[in-house]
Amino acid sequence: NAGVTQTPKFRVLKTGQSMTLLCAQDMNHEYMYWYRQDPGMGLRLIHYSVGEGTTAKGEVPDGYNVSRLKKQNFLLGLESAAPSQTSVYFCASKRGQTQETQYFGPGTRLLVL
Amino acid sequence: GNSVTQMEGPVTLSEEAFLTINCTYTATGYPSLFWYVQYPGEGLQLLLKATKADDKGSNKGFEATYRKETTSFHLEKGSVQVSDSAVYFCALDLIQGAQKLVFGQGTRLTINP
Repeated sequence: NAGVTQTPKFRVLKTGQSMTLLCAQDMNHEYMYWYRQDPGMGLRLIHYSVGEGTTAKGEVPDGYNVSRLKKQNFLLGLESAAPSQTSVYFCASKRGQTQETQYFGPGTRLLVL
Repeated sequence: GNSVTQMEGPVTLSEEAFLTINCTYTATGYPSLFWYVQYPGEGLQLLLKATKADDKGSNKGFEATYRKETTSFHLEKGSVQVSDSAVYFCALDLIQGAQKLVFGQGTRLTINP
């Protein structure tokens, strides 16, 4: 099992460019999450999904979109990148609803110039 | 709302010292509580968890007890090692609702030999 993988590991964008971050999990987990990590602020939830074909907004969803077309994949899109979106992005997944552990990917470092 | 507050870092200790990282929470329901650890350049890994009041989570010599009366989940280790240097995150996950982790801001721990 690879667990949770993220692509790419690092990316530099110019303001206004678009990109998609890919998260994949091979554990047959129902729930998937996208977080951003900024210095001194811990992790903040951007969007999440409770199953294939479903998505929902988290704490800081503005400027991002997501899709969960396949159970194993959760895509995070930036339509028009802004410098405020410079961050480290983590994807996570968990099996089901109650008291389950979230498993995290290694992160994607994004720099928006 | 739901929130987690951790002691301010960074924390610097000598090898074999006793470690305490304080964590308190505010929650409207009955949360599960977690400690995650992030080693340099890596994603978050679950360190330990507790799912109900008075439970004690333990792993790798670390312990934390779920104290409902003081809404706390302090992380302790009796004798730290250089390899424990990392960022530690306290988090809660409510068993009702959308099952979203709420993180503290993280505490950076450095252990000197």
